[in-house]
Amino acid sequence: EAGVTQFPSHSVIEKGQTVTLRCDPISGHDNLYWYRRVMGKEIKFLLHFVKESKQDESGMPNNRFLAERTGGTYSTLKVQPAELEDSGVYFCASSQGVRSTDTQYFGPGTRLTVL
Amino acid sequence: AQSVTQLGSHVSVSEGALVLLRCNYSSSVPPYLFWYVQYPNQGLQLLLKYTSAATLVKGINGFEAEFKKSETSFHLTKPSAHMSDAAEYFCAVSVPPSKIIFGSGTRLSIRP
Repeated sequence: EAGVTQFPSHSVIEKGQTVTLRCDPISGHDNLYWYRRVMGKEIKFLLHFVKESKQDESGMPNNRFLAERTGGTYSTLKVQPAELEDSGVYFCASSQGVRSTDTQYFGPGTRLTVL
Repeated sequence: AQSVTQLGSHVSVSEGALVLLRCNYSSSVPPYLFWYVQYPNQGLQLLLKYTSAATLVKGINGFEAEFKKSETSFHLTKPSAHMSDAAEYFCAVSVPPSKIIFGSGTRLSIRP
């Protein structure tokens, strides 16, 4: 069974540009999450999809970030325009259930560098 | 509000020595706790999780953790370190309904 995949693995962009990150969850997982780790800091929750609906987007830092999950399969996270402080590693995770005890399976992350 | 604190950003042990990574939690409700590991160039992998069924939780690769309510701790241990255990380890707590809050991580180095 394929795990959570993320694309690209690395992205280097200039400040003010736009970047789109993609996440493909494990097949059959209705729940999809985005997290971010800024250098030297904790991994922080960004948002949670149940199928194509945003269940919780309390962690989204500002309106420069837009997450979508059309059709309830893969998800994209767009940053527009990117700022220096957006640099970090963006992780995606998926789970079958939505209970607090359900395991979230993480992808390898996308390392974003904004110059 | 739930939170976790990992003591020590970097721990170094000799191969074959005991591994002890410390985690303390804060929670207003009975917590669900996790340990994740990130090997170089890989994603986060679940090592083990505490869901109130048993206070001593055994995970993959010989790791285990004990939930101690009186000490609000969930320390991760392994009796004998292997070189392959070198990685970054994250303690985490689940915030209902499904958000995870992570500690700042502990990087484990193994000396030959």
